[in-house]
Amino acid sequence: AQSVSQHNHHVILSEAASLELGCNYSYGGTVNLFWYVQYPGQHLQLLLKYFSGDPLVKGIKGFEAEFIKSKFSFNLRKPSVQWSDTAEYFCAVNAYNTDKLIFGTGTRLQVFP
Amino acid sequence: DAGVIQSPRHEVTEMGQEVTLRCKPISGHNSLFWYRQTMMRGLELLIYFNNNVPIDDSGMPEDRFSAKMPNASFSTLKIQPSEPRDSAVYFCASSFGTGGTGELFFGEGSRLTVL
Repeated sequence: AQSVSQHNHHVILSEAASLELGCNYSYGGTVNLFWYVQYPGQHLQLLLKYFSGDPLVKGIKGFEAEFIKSKFSFNLRKPSVQWSDTAEYFCAVNAYNTDKLIFGTGTRLQVFP
Repeated sequence: DAGVIQSPRHEVTEMGQEVTLRCKPISGHNSLFWYRQTMMRGLELLIYFNNNVPIDDSGMPEDRFSAKMPNASFSTLKIQPSEPRDSAVYFCASSFGTGGTGELFFGEGSRLTVL
């Protein structure tokens, strides 16, 4: 069965610090990979996605993620965080050609001014 | 577009009562998902439908949970009887397309508290 692991449960940063959130998945076949974000009091929304091609994908608000197939990883990065990035971040994966999207347990990011 | 609409936004009920959560997906979307979010387990997929047909309900916790999608614009998630451990935020999401590449659009969630 597919599973997604997010090892950082709670991350606290100061503004302008760099961010990297880890995501590993377990599935032997081809996958689609996603990062979703949930801002306080809001619903989840898509941050970025990877289906194929360039393993470095860019999303909204300066976020990017790199797919490393050999490591089954899809880590999220941002060079300089802002207070407004305070949110919960979810990595998600589905097996190629299926709609069943499995989420990790999420990482809560707090950014202090 | 109004987005995915869920009701009620908040529900407080007593153990043993029936709970019905409702979802209206985005018009034109052909897949609908029900997720449950708790602090301990994060976001769990309960069930999803494609073209109103349940495709995978392996995440439904037990027989007390049931979900229906009678038409393309409406779905319900029912818990009968409810238990305190069912307390969570239940999200509905919809997407368009096939092959798992469609972006999921989430509703605001229904926060359920079972006393």
